[in-house]
Amino acid sequence: AQSVTQLGSHVSVSEGALVLLRCNYSSSVPPYLFWYVQYPNQGLQLLLKYTSAATLVKGINGFEAEFKKSETSFHLTKPSAHMSDAAEYFCAVSYSGGYQKVTFGTGTKLQVIP
Amino acid sequence: NAGVTQTPKFQVLKTGQSMTLQCAQDMNHEYMSWYRQDPGMGLRLIHYSVGAGITDQGEVPNGYNVSRSTTEDFPLRLLSAAPSQTSVYFCASSYGRGAGSGANVLTFGAGSRLTVL
Repeated sequence: AQSVTQLGSHVSVSEGALVLLRCNYSSSVPPYLFWYVQYPNQGLQLLLKYTSAATLVKGINGFEAEFKKSETSFHLTKPSAHMSDAAEYFCAVSYSGGYQKVTFGTGTKLQVIP
Repeated sequence: NAGVTQTPKFQVLKTGQSMTLQCAQDMNHEYMSWYRQDPGMGLRLIHYSVGAGITDQGEVPNGYNVSRSTTEDFPLRLLSAAPSQTSVYFCASSYGRGAGSGANVLTFGAGSRLTVL
């Protein structure tokens, strides 16, 4: 069965500092991997996705993530945090191809300190 | 396009009551799903559908029922509400199969907050 583990339910960074949100996946077949963001009282929006093309994936709002098969990781980074980045971030996995269920991690709340 | 529309946004029920959460999408997506979101537990899949007339269970299906009579609509029914079903419910859809760039990318509704007393 597929699953993702997000390390750290809460992460605090200073404005302008590096953002690093960790995600490790478990999948017996090549996965599709996603990062979604949820702002307060809203639904989830796609930040970026990995679908077996380039291992370094660039998303919206300056975020990027690198697929590392040897480490089964898909960590999300942003070089410089902005106050507007404060939100909850979810890593998700599905199998490639076909109609496949998407499994989400437990989420990481990012706090940006001025 | 409206995307994914969920109604109602808020609902309070008493234990034992039944209700239906509505979900409609106007993107001609074949795949539709329902998740519940609880603090510290992320999103958990309740039921999903890969097309009209086809539904299947997710991770936490007990106490919920679904049907898919049209491509656009995927209602979630609570048969006899319990306090443990207090949660925020999200409907999400995607265009579906294959290795295309949009495959398995979910579009979410704004959510329905349900409280069961």
